[in-house]
Amino acid sequence: NAGVTQTPKFRILKIGQSMTLQCAQDMNHNYMYWYRQDPGMGLKLIYYSVGAGITDKGEVPNGYNVSRSTTEDFPLRLELAAPSQTSVYFCASTQTAPGRAGELFFGEGSRLTVL
Amino acid sequence: QKEVEQDPGPLSVPEGAIVSLNCTYSNSAFQYFMWYRQYSRKGPELLMYTYSSGNKEDGRFTAQVDKSSKYISLFIRDSQPSDSATYLCAMKGGNNDMRFGAGTRLTVKP
Repeated sequence: NAGVTQTPKFRILKIGQSMTLQCAQDMNHNYMYWYRQDPGMGLKLIYYSVGAGITDKGEVPNGYNVSRSTTEDFPLRLELAAPSQTSVYFCASTQTAPGRAGELFFGEGSRLTVL
Repeated sequence: QKEVEQDPGPLSVPEGAIVSLNCTYSNSAFQYFMWYRQYSRKGPELLMYTYSSGNKEDGRFTAQVDKSSKYISLFIRDSQPSDSATYLCAMKGGNNDMRFGAGTRLTVKP
């Protein structure tokens, strides 16, 4: 039972490089999220999706882009990496509608360092 | 003022102690309150959730919500070394906007 799978687990980027963080879930969840976690700052929502073809900005979307072409996959793209994007990125999914409480299932995280 | 305030600790207790973890918040629209547990180098996992004010108990864990004071707590009884983790409070209103606390790092020493 894979749940939410994130790749890569670790990556070092140079300033200005681009990359895509991959996220896949096998639970047939409609709702998927990308968060970043910085020390002492908690989890901040970057982007989310309520279904294939539908995405929306969260709290801290600048410098990122997403797409949702299938229910299973929700990749996060960094176009021009900056040191401020050094963080741990978590993908999460849930079957619960946004207006209700429900368990978020998280991946194990992708640790990104921008030098 | 942050929307959700949580003391990051670290908090260190001996095995068997009662642990109290707390968060305060400012947004009165929050109505769902959750606690997530995050082990080192892992993603958060839902531990407990409550709706509106009141208490909820699950084994050694008790979650309390006081909406009048905008204050939530998680109590861990008979703490075990396996409880050593970071505990994140989270809360949301009727939309998609979940807010997380900074997380409190707990160590339970044998």
